[in-house]
Amino acid sequence: EVQLLESGGGLVQPGGSLRLSCAASGFTFNNYAMNWVRQAPGKGLEWVSGIRSNGGTTFYAASVKGRFTISRDNSKNTLYLQMNSLRVEDTALYYCARTQGSGYWYFDYWGQGSLVTVSS
Amino acid sequence: DIQMTQSPSSLSASVGDRVSITCRASQNIGSYLNWYQQKPGKAPRLLIYAASSLRNGVPSRFSGSGSVTDFTLTISNLQPEDFGIYYCQQSYSTPYTFGQGTRLEIK
Repeated sequence: EVQLLESGGGLVQPGGSLRLSCAASGFTFNNYAMNWVRQAPGKGLEWVSGIRSNGGTTFYAASVKGRFTISRDNSKNTLYLQMNSLRVEDTALYYCARTQGSGYWYFDYWGQGSLVTVSS
Repeated sequence: DIQMTQSPSSLSASVGDRVSITCRASQNIGSYLNWYQQKPGKAPRLLIYAASSLRNGVPSRFSGSGSVTDFTLTISNLQPEDFGIYYCQQSYSTPYTFGQGTRLEIK
């Protein structure tokens, strides 16, 4: 059974840092691209970042580029999101999601999310 | 960035009804369009990918159609468990933008 389990969220002051982790199990992690998607309280979904299966290529939303860094450790089956210079508007539930497909990409499995609150 | 616009933003329908949600892309995205359902307190769930392909295990009352810029999610024979928020997403190019969501309420 595919499982994605996020951790590392919490309360942080504006300007602070936090690192999220997503532990994957039930599939061959190093065969899949992965993503972070966030959802601010009461709002819609926003794709944040993605990373190819070998970690060699990364992608970011403009809203986080230069502040967030996505990475993965395929030996540990774990995806990360290092978040620096956090802003109040980064407050959200952060999901990790697996990319599936060849040619047409989609997010077939999602974790339950890790809540990040940025507040003074 | 590609903008995704859904309509309506909310709708209410009765069990057994047929409902449709539309999604419009700001540029040609071919068939790179996915649909997700989200229920309160839960992660999104993939329903349809590549505009019209039904994910394994998703009831056949869900269907997707469209291409280029205009897409539709149709739910036939609406069931009580179909309430929630529905999102479209383009996967043509990063950032993989989502529509703003359509809230479906069962009367």
